[in-house]
Amino acid sequence: DAGVIQSPRHEVTEMGQEVTLRCKPISGHNSLFWYRQTMMRGLELLIYFNNNVPIDDSGMPEDRFSAKMPNASFSTLKIQPSEPRDSAVYFCASRDGTTNEKLFFGSGTQLSVL
Amino acid sequence: SQQGEEDPQALSIQEGENATMNCSYKTSINNLQWYRQNSGRGLVHLILIRSNEREKHSGRLRVTLDTSKKSSSLLITASRAADTASYFCATVRLSGNTPLVFGKGTRLSVIA
Repeated sequence: DAGVIQSPRHEVTEMGQEVTLRCKPISGHNSLFWYRQTMMRGLELLIYFNNNVPIDDSGMPEDRFSAKMPNASFSTLKIQPSEPRDSAVYFCASRDGTTNEKLFFGSGTQLSVL
Repeated sequence: SQQGEEDPQALSIQEGENATMNCSYKTSINNLQWYRQNSGRGLVHLILIRSNEREKHSGRLRVTLDTSKKSSSLLITASRAADTASYFCATVRLSGNTPLVFGKGTRLSVIA
């Protein structure tokens, strides 16, 4: 398996633009997580899905952020409109939810909003 | 929040020495996990210890768990320059398929 695949690897955009981050979880994993990492706040959980259903989105900063999982093999995190304070590394991770055990992380998307 | 907190925030040692990192958490857990992150990369799972376990080994890694003190430690023996990375603990709550909550990590530098 290729692991969790995220795209793009880097994204540079201007304030006000829409940004879409993509994630393909490991095949067979039924739980998917979006995290954001900054120096100041560390690794924050934004939202997670079980069996494609959003379970907890309390970590989503505000209405500018939205996430979808239309099927078991694809998820998106969208920011509209983007702001400079959204600059961070965004990670997607997946897990076999039946075991409640380890997460597999993607390589992340480095987002810079100018 | 049951966010784990690692201590120290940064650690610098010589190659060959042992490195010890600590983690404290706030609520009852199902298991505690340690992850490693190399610069510019995603986190990689190292080891998992369940709430009914007190110690676990994996190669040069040794993890202990004290549920009465809500703390864990990660020991890396005979460190190598390649162990330079950030190390995070993460906890899973007692019930349900719940997400991992991470601390801010310990930045380990191993000097050759």
